[in-house]
Amino acid sequence: KQEVTQIPAALSVPEGENLVLNCSFTDSAIYNLQWFRQDPGKGLTSLLLIQSSQREQTSGRLNASLDKSSGRSTLYIAASQPGDSATYLCAVRLPYNQGGKLIFGQGTELSVKP
Amino acid sequence: NAGVTQTPKFRVLKTGQSMTLLCAQDMNHEYMYWYRQDPGMGLRLIHYSVGEGTTAKGEVPDGYNVSRLKKQNFLLGLESAAPSQTSVYFCASSLHTSLSYNEQFFGPGTRLTVL
Repeated sequence: KQEVTQIPAALSVPEGENLVLNCSFTDSAIYNLQWFRQDPGKGLTSLLLIQSSQREQTSGRLNASLDKSSGRSTLYIAASQPGDSATYLCAVRLPYNQGGKLIFGQGTELSVKP
Repeated sequence: NAGVTQTPKFRVLKTGQSMTLLCAQDMNHEYMYWYRQDPGMGLRLIHYSVGEGTTAKGEVPDGYNVSRLKKQNFLLGLESAAPSQTSVYFCASSLHTSLSYNEQFFGPGTRLTVL
């Protein structure tokens, strides 16, 4: 059974710092991996999607990497800002022959202090 | 383009009452999903639909029913609400092609409390 883990559960950094959020999964048979942002009391906003054949995706100050063989993904945030404060969730999509469902990690709550 | 919308935003029910949550999307997406989010449990899939007229069970389907009579709408029903169904419910949709699964877009959520 696929399980997704995000460590740490919470992270606090000063403004301007570069940081890395970690996501690990137990089964390397995934279709893709998606990173989301969730603000308090709000829905999920998709940040980056990495197909299983890709190694990384970039969007602005965000860079997500994927190492399927080791079951790991990282989300790198450059020059963090207070507006980056939110919970970050990663989710892996199972292959079509396993239902194609998204399995979520429990998230990392990020706080960027001015 | 409103994206994915959910109604209502908040609801309080008494144990045993029934209700229906409505999800609507205007992106012509084939796939739609219902999740629940609970502290310490993350997001868990309740039911999903791969097209109009089709539904399938997710991880935690017990106590819920769904219907997809129109492509743009996905309804989640609670026939007899229980306190264990107190949660935040999210709907999502995605466009699937024969080549790849595309990203999921989420609604703003419905906060349900069952007393």
